[in-house]
Amino acid sequence: DVKVTQSSRYLVKRTGEKVFLECVQDMDHENMFWYRQDPGLGLRLIYFSYDVKMKEKGDIPEGYSVSREKKERFSLILESASTNQTSMYLCASSPGQSPSGLHFGNGTRLTVT
Amino acid sequence: GQSLEQPSEVTAVEGAIVQINCTYQTSGFYGLSWYQQHDGGAPTFLSYNALDGLEETGRFSSFLSRSDSYGYLLLQELQMKDSASYFCAVSPYGGATNKLIFGTGTLLAVQP
Repeated sequence: DVKVTQSSRYLVKRTGEKVFLECVQDMDHENMFWYRQDPGLGLRLIYFSYDVKMKEKGDIPEGYSVSREKKERFSLILESASTNQTSMYLCASSPGQSPSGLHFGNGTRLTVT
Repeated sequence: GQSLEQPSEVTAVEGAIVQINCTYQTSGFYGLSWYQQHDGGAPTFLSYNALDGLEETGRFSSFLSRSDSYGYLLLQELQMKDSASYFCAVSPYGGATNKLIFGTGTLLAVQP
């Protein structure tokens, strides 16, 4: 089974802090994604990556950056956390072309106070 | 741009059949996916329709009509464990595994 592991299940940070959310997948997938999930808004794409060192903006990239130095790891960075970034963050991975869909991690619930 | 509409909540009884609809408006379209998410859990992939018609996987079926920009997820013989949120998602770039745009989700409550 594909395993997507997010480093923290819960995080509490202060406004203005730099926050790193880490995600590792163990199936050599080309694609990796960061989504945030908020009640009533569904899942919204922040950034995605099709290959090492490659990244593309999703629908809501403002206030975020990403890093993919190794194929298995995709990091989401909040340069200066704000209270409106309090949310559930979901990492996902997928092979280049497959009918099996995206594989999600269990999420990191981030609270910014 | 892209937008997907789903009902926010659906309630059904155990053993029944329920249909969750999804209508979409996209500038490009390469297929409709469905995901299930239990409370506190990760979304898990259920199905993908690249072409019009019905795809069946056990108790779950998914339908797509590209001419109507419409699809649905059909759950048969409902069980209590089917209580979860269900999301439709479209792929504007191709395939089930590329960038996906998700709907806002439908919370299904299965009652005894």
